[in-house]
Amino acid sequence: KQEVTQIPAALSVPEGENLVLNCSFTDSAIYNLQWFRQDPGKGLTSLLLIQSSQREQTSGRLNASLDKSSGRSTLYIAASQPGDSATYLCAASNTGFQKLVFGTGTRLLVSP
Amino acid sequence: ETGVTQTPRHLVMGMTNKKSLKCEQHLGHNAMYWYKQSAKKPLELMFVYNFKEQTENNSVPSRFSPECPNSSHLFLHLHTLQPEDSALYLCASSQRGDIRDGNQPQHFGDGTRLSIL
Repeated sequence: KQEVTQIPAALSVPEGENLVLNCSFTDSAIYNLQWFRQDPGKGLTSLLLIQSSQREQTSGRLNASLDKSSGRSTLYIAASQPGDSATYLCAASNTGFQKLVFGTGTRLLVSP
Repeated sequence: ETGVTQTPRHLVMGMTNKKSLKCEQHLGHNAMYWYKQSAKKPLELMFVYNFKEQTENNSVPSRFSPECPNSSHLFLHLHTLQPEDSALYLCASSQRGDIRDGNQPQHFGDGTRLSIL
């Protein structure tokens, strides 16, 4: 059974810092891994999706990497801004490619 | 129109009530999902519908009854719920292609915050 863990659970940084959020998964036979952002009281916004055949994806200041052999993914946020404050969730898809298994998230606070 | 719309945004109900949650997607997708998000727990997939047909039931109690009349609408009928069912219920949609196409991102609504008295 796939299990997804995110560390740290919470992170507070000053504006401008580069930061890394970590995601680990127990079953490396994944179809893809997704990173989402969730603002308080809101749904999830898809940030990046990495297919199992890919090593990384980039969108603006965000870069996500995937290492299936070690069961890890990282989300790199460059030059963080207060607007980046949110909870970041990663989700792995393996048993049936539509079934996402989520981590509990990292709550990020970027202070001005 | 926003991509995925859920109504109501908030719902308070007693354990003996019957209510329904509604989800509508305007993205032309052919797959829809219900998720449950409880405090301090990961999001849990509840149901998956592809082309209006239920393809996944993640061992959800029968007091939750989904309905998908067409590819754009998804309902979750609630009956005789328990206090532990209080949570944020999220709907999502995606375009389901061949598995060789790779996975398309799921798009989420803002959820219905459900409180059971």
